[in-house]
This record gives sequence, C-alpha cells and structure tokens, in this order.
Amino acid sequence: DQQVKQNSPSLSVQEGRISILNCDYTNSMFDYFLWYKKYPAEGPTFLISISSIKDKNEDGRFTVFLNKSAKHLSLHIVPSQPGDSAVYFCAALYNSGNTPLVFGKGTRLSVIA
Amino acid sequence: DAGVIQSPRHEVTEMGQEVTLRCKPISGHNSLFWYRQTMMRGLELLIYFNNNVPIDDSGMPEDRFSAKMPNASFSTLKIQPSEPRDSAVYFCASSFIAGSLSFYGYTFGSGTRLTVV
Repeated sequence: DQQVKQNSPSLSVQEGRISILNCDYTNSMFDYFLWYKKYPAEGPTFLISISSIKDKNEDGRFTVFLNKSAKHLSLHIVPSQPGDSAVYFCAALYNSGNTPLVFGKGTRLSVIA
Repeated sequence: DAGVIQSPRHEVTEMGQEVTLRCKPISGHNSLFWYRQTMMRGLELLIYFNNNVPIDDSGMPEDRFSAKMPNASFSTLKIQPSEPRDSAVYFCASSFIAGSLSFYGYTFGSGTRLTVV
C-alpha cells in the first residue's frame, strides 16, 4: 500500500499563475518531507524540504506547507514559469535519515506560456 | 564531483537474457539506494546499502533480482533472467547518513532505461 500518495497524475497551469501540487501520507511516523523535481532523461533533483516541527518552509518561488493533523503537504510555486514544467515527486522519511525515502507516484506539471 | 554515475544509459535486451546495471556513488557517501520508476508504481525502493552492507532488500520484486556493493565506489543490480515486465527506468542514488537528526538528502544518477523485448 502506498504510504505517500499524489493523487493528481498531471496539472496544467498558465505562466505567471500559482501551481499547487498536493501530497498525502499515511505513516504518522514520518518526520521529514521533501519535494523532488524530475526532467525527462534526468534523475530527480532535490527542490525543497520541511521538518515535521514546522508548518511552512519557503525558498524563493517555492513554498511547502505541512498539515500534520491532515497528513497532507502541498507545494506552491508562484509565479509559475515554463521551466517549471517537470514531474514533481513528494517523498517522506522518518528517524531523520535512518530509513530510506518513500516516494509518491509523481505529478506532471505543465506550465503553459 | 561528477555526481552519481550510472551505466548504461539505455539497455535493450531480449527476454531471458541477463542484465547488469552499474552505479558509482559520490565519493564519501556511505549509503546507496536502487529505485525503479514505472508509471504504475512511481519511484519504488528496491534495495539499499549502508557502508556497503545490504540493509533492506524487501523491495526486490523476486529472486531474479540481485544487487551487490563490493566496495564503497561501485554497485551492481542484476536481473537474470529478464522479463518484459522488468522494463522501467532504474535509478541509483547515494547519500551520507550520519544517524538521527542528520539528513543530507539523496543525489540521484541519470538512470538506466531498460527495455526487455
């Protein structure tokens, strides 16, 4: 059973607008969450992370929100740019690294100019 | 640093043949992970090593799959015999794991796209 779920396989957004990618998890032991970005023919690359002791982390145009009670996190990209078009993976782990990352299935974001 | 290096980038093989995928992790990293990406299952963990020792291989789909890490700078994932359903992109990732409260992220290789016909 998937412990990390990304229920939207794809998302299309106009350039300049906000992109919101969602992720749900089932394991309450998870204490660290990450978003990875993947371009075609490349490996996933780290984008942004958040610890379970926080509810928000911001890095430039990217912000991740964590709602522990709902076991939900989201990635906001504002403003969206065509170069943001990629597959975004949500990932989680617990024990701060002593267990491997568990990934969702990914959401393909298309930013239309 | 050249990053995590995987070879080959593409592999096309016939059903029943043996396939070996290779990975060179980042120097100084003590953990190595093999993931497989498919449309149906996304990125799923197959096996991971810590200090060259296999820690968890519960994600390896069946006995046809095996992985080794003979030293800190090299790992292989072998499929014998290969089947069409093994077609996927296989990623290797490495990291430095220093215990609780220390997470430095994973660095992924570019992947090997395997097609079994």
